Amino acid sequence: DTEVTQTPKHLVMGMTNKKSLKCEQHMGHRAMYWYKQKAKKPPELMFVYSYEKLSINESVPSRFSPECPNSSLLNLHLHALQPEDSALYLCASSIHGTSGAYEQYFGPGTRLTVT
Amino acid sequence: DAKTTQPTSMDCAEGRAANLPCNHSTISGNEYVYWYRQIHSQGPQYIIHGLKNNETNEMASLIITEDRKSSTLILPHATLRDTAVYYCIVRVRGQAGTALIFGKGTTLSVSS
Repeated sequence: DTEVTQTPKHLVMGMTNKKSLKCEQHMGHRAMYWYKQKAKKPPELMFVYSYEKLSINESVPSRFSPECPNSSLLNLHLHALQPEDSALYLCASSIHGTSGAYEQYFGPGTRLTVT
Repeated sequence: DAKTTQPTSMDCAEGRAANLPCNHSTISGNEYVYWYRQIHSQGPQYIIHGLKNNETNEMASLIITEDRKSSTLILPHATLRDTAVYYCIVRVRGQAGTALIFGKGTTLSVSS
């Protein structure tokens, strides 16, 4: 199973709402990632988790709060977002180690619209 | 990670080979070349990676020049489903917990 799943596929939320994005993988990967992709732009890193611990936060505003409750799950909690946060949110996972080159597997993304 | 330069767009006729170039003149000795693609509104998909030698898998071939300053991704028989944005990324070996730094990529349009 080389699949990364993301739910929901689409999400529309108001600026005062609280919502969560979910990502799941069952490949035994211990590195998981959140990327943000605006229209017609390449993906940009938001967060990296290594062995369920946050290892990289690319200066993301605190209205985005990641969580890795176990080795298979990655959540992104959203609160008080702005319309400019509307984007495709991508989750990815990879093997964690230093002995080789590891590809990242991406989910299909959640299309978020903030109204 | 080293910076990459790719053409903004390319066209290819269905059934012909698509050759996508990438320049990475500042690549270090321990950096791999990765290729990903992103079909419209989907997540990026891993294609292939290499260090020094040419590589081939069921999707594509990767040709890396001897000085490693450039590479070419070859899709041997392009189909309409290969229409996508193709990203060339260089990345240090073993950095599993670090991000992929995506450039602007090449938009490949395959037509019948």
